[in-house]
Amino acid sequence: EAGVAQSPRYKIIEKRQSVAFWCNPISGHATLYWYQQILGQGPKLLIQFQNNGVVDDSQLPKDRFSAERLKGVDSTLKIQPAKLEDSAVYLCASSSQRQGRTDGYTFGSGTRLTVV
Amino acid sequence: GENVEQHPSTLSVQEGDSAVIKCTYSDSASNYFPWYKQELGKGPQLIIDIRSNVGEKKDQRIAVTLNKTAKHFSLHITETQPEDSAVYFCAASKYNFNKFYFGSGTKLNVKP
Repeated sequence: EAGVAQSPRYKIIEKRQSVAFWCNPISGHATLYWYQQILGQGPKLLIQFQNNGVVDDSQLPKDRFSAERLKGVDSTLKIQPAKLEDSAVYLCASSSQRQGRTDGYTFGSGTRLTVV
Repeated sequence: GENVEQHPSTLSVQEGDSAVIKCTYSDSASNYFPWYKQELGKGPQLIIDIRSNVGEKKDQRIAVTLNKTAKHFSLHITETQPEDSAVYFCAASKYNFNKFYFGSGTKLNVKP
């Protein structure tokens, strides 16, 4: 089974520029998550999709971050404009539901963003 | 919201020794507690998990214990090997297990 695919692996941008990350979840996984992992910290949930609808975006800085999941499969996360404090690894994860329980919660390798 | 604290932040052990990492959580409604291993340049990988209706779970050299009353859970790795060296994260979740709250991580170094 193919894992969660993310691209690019690395990105360096200047502050105030924009950037976009892409995620392709495991086939058949209806739920998709974007996490932000700042160096030395645990991942923090930014947004959760169920199919193409947003379930939870309470931790997403909506003035600069946006995300979409068209057709309930791939997802993109965008930052515009970027700030220095956005430097982090952005992790995508996906899961399915089996008998009412979350199943197969899997992370991608992440995109490391450096804002200079 | 939930707050998960993890200790220690770094742990160095000799190969063959045991390693223990501890986490506490604040929300008594949390009922699912996974542990993840993250190697350099990779995403977190699930190594073991425990649900609130169980006090202990074991998988070969790895075990997790849960004390619901005290709201803490621990990861135990026995007979450590150099390939166990990585950053380990605990997490807590509730309801349908979708939203995870992670600890700050423990960097484990196993010296040959």
